[in-house]
Amino acid sequence: GAVVSQHPSWVICKSGTSVKIECRSLDFQATTMFWYRQFPKQSLMLMATSNEGSKATYEQGVEKDKFLINHASLTLSTLTVTSAHPEDSSFYICSAAGGTQYFGPGTRLTVL
Amino acid sequence: GQNIDQPTEMTATEGAIVQINCTYQTSGFNGLFWYQQHAGEAPTFLSYNVLDGLEEKGRFSSFLSRSKGYSYLLLKELQMKDSASYLCAVNPHNNAGNMLTFGGGTRLMVKP
Repeated sequence: GAVVSQHPSWVICKSGTSVKIECRSLDFQATTMFWYRQFPKQSLMLMATSNEGSKATYEQGVEKDKFLINHASLTLSTLTVTSAHPEDSSFYICSAAGGTQYFGPGTRLTVL
Repeated sequence: GQNIDQPTEMTATEGAIVQINCTYQTSGFNGLFWYQQHAGEAPTFLSYNVLDGLEEKGRFSSFLSRSKGYSYLLLKELQMKDSASYLCAVNPHNNAGNMLTFGGGTRLMVKP
């Protein structure tokens, strides 16, 4: 199957700092990528749809100024959590659309 | 809105068969997916149904009835490594878009 990578796999940061997470499709081009957040023992919640060359589409309740998404190329989308706070601590997962959705390995963010 | 329901938890015995049900009510339908997710890892694709009927893939089978808004994932010859969360997801659009809406997931515990 298709391969999607995420970097970093985990990050610990202080409250108030910004964190950038990269999502790459390694062996196919993805015009659309998705960003999800998953809290412990809960399912995936779609945050936004990242479209190459255009603005991301955010789900209701997700602050676009706090979660900045840039889909710079057909193989790379980035999610920047700005001014992170402890409540932003979560498992962030991206997926790339190539027929079905292929998920990256996830990034565990811990904000102290 | 979109609504996808599946049981929260199930327990089964090694070597047995287990069926995980999923019901959905969505604005449209362009396929139903099952994913497996081990704790702390990203989901991995198991199956895709867009037409009514049973899709078999090794020990795993998935069934769909569009008229009933119902699907199930059948796991045979259960192994300890099958202990995971199983996510039912629907593409709620009638076009070819790839966005998925996820159910809450079913945590399956396989006991010896």
